[in-house]
Amino acid sequence: EVQLVESGGGLVKPGGSLRLSCAASGFTFSSYTMTWVRLTPGTGLEWVASYSRRSASISYAESVRGRFTISRDDARKSVYLQMNSLRAGDTAVYYCAREDGYKALDIWGQGTVVTVSS
Amino acid sequence: SYALTQPPSVSVSPGQTASITCSGDKLGDKYVYWYQHKSGQSPVLVIYQDRQRPSDIPERFSGSSSGSTATLTISGTQAVDEADYYCQAWDNNSGVFGAGTKVTVL
Repeated sequence: EVQLVESGGGLVKPGGSLRLSCAASGFTFSSYTMTWVRLTPGTGLEWVASYSRRSASISYAESVRGRFTISRDDARKSVYLQMNSLRAGDTAVYYCAREDGYKALDIWGQGTVVTVSS
Repeated sequence: SYALTQPPSVSVSPGQTASITCSGDKLGDKYVYWYQHKSGQSPVLVIYQDRQRPSDIPERFSGSSSGSTATLTISGTQAVDEADYYCQAWDNNSGVFGAGTKVTVL
């Protein structure tokens, strides 16, 4: 079964850090671009970052550039999101998603909740 | 930065057709993707590359695109289709989502 499972969410104070993980199974992980998307109550879905297959390129949303770092480990079939200098506006459900050959986000994880609050 | 505009809400009676628009500058030059999101669940891809439907998505979902506007159409809307729908495009390798449209089946 094709599956993505996120972990690492939680409650963190403003200015703090958190590292999210996404473990993949059921497909050839190294052949796919992986993406993080977040869902915030007021804004809806927001693309956060993508890491292309074969580690060819990385891109970030302007709102997180310089604070968040996406990485991947093809041997572990995992993608990560290191989040530093967290703000209240980063509070969201964070999903990892697989990007298929048509650039569609065709598989999504169940999401992990990040709450930034003092 | 690139932006996609969607109506906040659409109401439809069961069995009728719901149309959700998504507009953006020169959107016709980009592919548009549509995602369905129900509260407490993960988003689901319902349309890719403007009008293609994944094999597990019901035929009542269709997409089109012309000029600066893309449209998601749900024909014969069912109560189970009540959800938020987001359009999405890629702009210079950055993902852009619309703000979402809440579809209410009355």
